[in-house]
Amino acid sequence: GQNIDQPTEMTATEGAIVQINCTYQTSGFNGLFWYQQHAGEAPTFLSYNVLDGLEEKGRFSSFLSRSKGYSYLLLKELQMKDSASYLCAVLRSNDYKLSFGAGTTVTVRA
Amino acid sequence: DVKVTQSSRYLVKRTGEKVFLECVQDMDHENMFWYRQDPGLGLRLIYFSYDVKMKEKGDIPEGYSVSREKKERFSLILESASTNQTSMYLCASSPRQVSSYNEQFFGPGTRLTVL
Repeated sequence: GQNIDQPTEMTATEGAIVQINCTYQTSGFNGLFWYQQHAGEAPTFLSYNVLDGLEEKGRFSSFLSRSKGYSYLLLKELQMKDSASYLCAVLRSNDYKLSFGAGTTVTVRA
Repeated sequence: DVKVTQSSRYLVKRTGEKVFLECVQDMDHENMFWYRQDPGLGLRLIYFSYDVKMKEKGDIPEGYSVSREKKERFSLILESASTNQTSMYLCASSPRQVSSYNEQFFGPGTRLTVL
C-alpha cells in the first residue's frame, strides 16, 4: 500500500523561506516528484529525486532521504506567485505509476 | 510546447447520465492517464493507457471505463454518473520510457458536478 503525508496548509511572508515536508511509506519506491498546482490550473513539474541528497533548481530545492522515507521541497525568496498547492508524488517501482499526497497549500503574504 | 487539453473545464450532469470526458495531447506520447482530484485525498489514478487500444486499471477504476482509439486521444467514460463521482478530473500524458524518470504532463482539468 501507499501512504504519503504532507501538511495541509502553510503560510509565509514574501521574501521568506518555506520548507514543505513529505513522508512516505510505500511498497516500492523508484523516485519522488514534486509538482506545483495553481488554483484552477494543471499541475506542473518542479523536481524529481531518486538518489539521496539535495537537488537545487533556482529558488526551489528538493531533498530526499530514502532510508527515512522523507523528502522536502524548499522554496526560497518567496514571491506572491508561489502561492499554490504543492504535490508530493512517489513513483512506484512495481508498476511505475505515481501515488500522490493530498497536497500542501502555500499562501504567501505581503 | 507540451500541451494536454481537456474538452470541458466545467460540466454538470444528472445522476444516471452517461458522461464522456475527452483528453487530447499533442506530444506523441504513448502513455496517458486519468486521475480524479478530491480535497484531502490528492490525485488518484483511475485508468492508464500505454498504447492505442491498450488500457490498465488504476487504483480506483470502479464506475469508470476508458477508450483509446487514437494515440493522441484518451476518453474517460462514466456509464451511469453518480453523485460520488463529482470531482475534478485530470488527464496526463508521458513518453513511453517506463524508467525511473517518467514526468507526466497534465491537462487543466474538468470539474464535473453530478446532481
